[in-house]
Amino acid sequence: AQKVTQAQTEISVVEKEDVTLDCVYETRDTTYYLFWYKQPPSGELVFLIRRNSFDEQNEISGRYSWNFQKSTSSFNFTITASQVVDSAVYFCALSEDTGRRALTFGSGTRLQVQP
Amino acid sequence: GEEVAQTPKHLVRGEGQKAKLYCAPIKGHSYVFWYQQVLKNEFKFLISFQNENVFDETGMPKERFSAKCLPNSPCSLEIQATKLEDSAVYFCASSQSLLRNEQFFGPGTRLTVL
Repeated sequence: AQKVTQAQTEISVVEKEDVTLDCVYETRDTTYYLFWYKQPPSGELVFLIRRNSFDEQNEISGRYSWNFQKSTSSFNFTITASQVVDSAVYFCALSEDTGRRALTFGSGTRLQVQP
Repeated sequence: GEEVAQTPKHLVRGEGQKAKLYCAPIKGHSYVFWYQQVLKNEFKFLISFQNENVFDETGMPKERFSAKCLPNSPCSLEIQATKLEDSAVYFCASSQSLLRNEQFFGPGTRLTVL
């Protein structure tokens, strides 16, 4: 069975600080996909990134960066120079390449960025 | 359309009443997934469709819940005889293919059962 753990329930930072959200996953599949979604206070789910298990290259998109390490089964997300608009709940998710393809979500990390 | 559309935004039902939720996937997307988000955190997969065919229903409660995706109509999720514990936000997501499995979510329907 697959599992995603986001151990940080809530993080509070001051604007312009860097912050890293942790994600650890478990799966028996050799091929799988990892995702990050943002859920702002308005409630919608915003897709941020998809990464497949064969691609361990780190990715940067503006102030966002992702560190995928298969050796530790982690897919961490860093926001550089955080802004108030980054305040949201962030979910890490996993789907396997075979079978049902449904996303298994972590329990989310609530990020509060104070001005 | 360019976005997943879900209606209604909010739905209030008395316990025992029926609730029906709708989802229009992004045009050209073949897969539809339904998820239930309880207490603002926990997501539970319910059911998925490949076009009008059920792809995976392992998350669907055996009783009271049903879903359909018919040609040229929005997909629907129906709950017969709602219970208090059905109160949640129900999200629909669509994906163009399973190859990339990028699931784009609709805004959700908040169901409140009183």
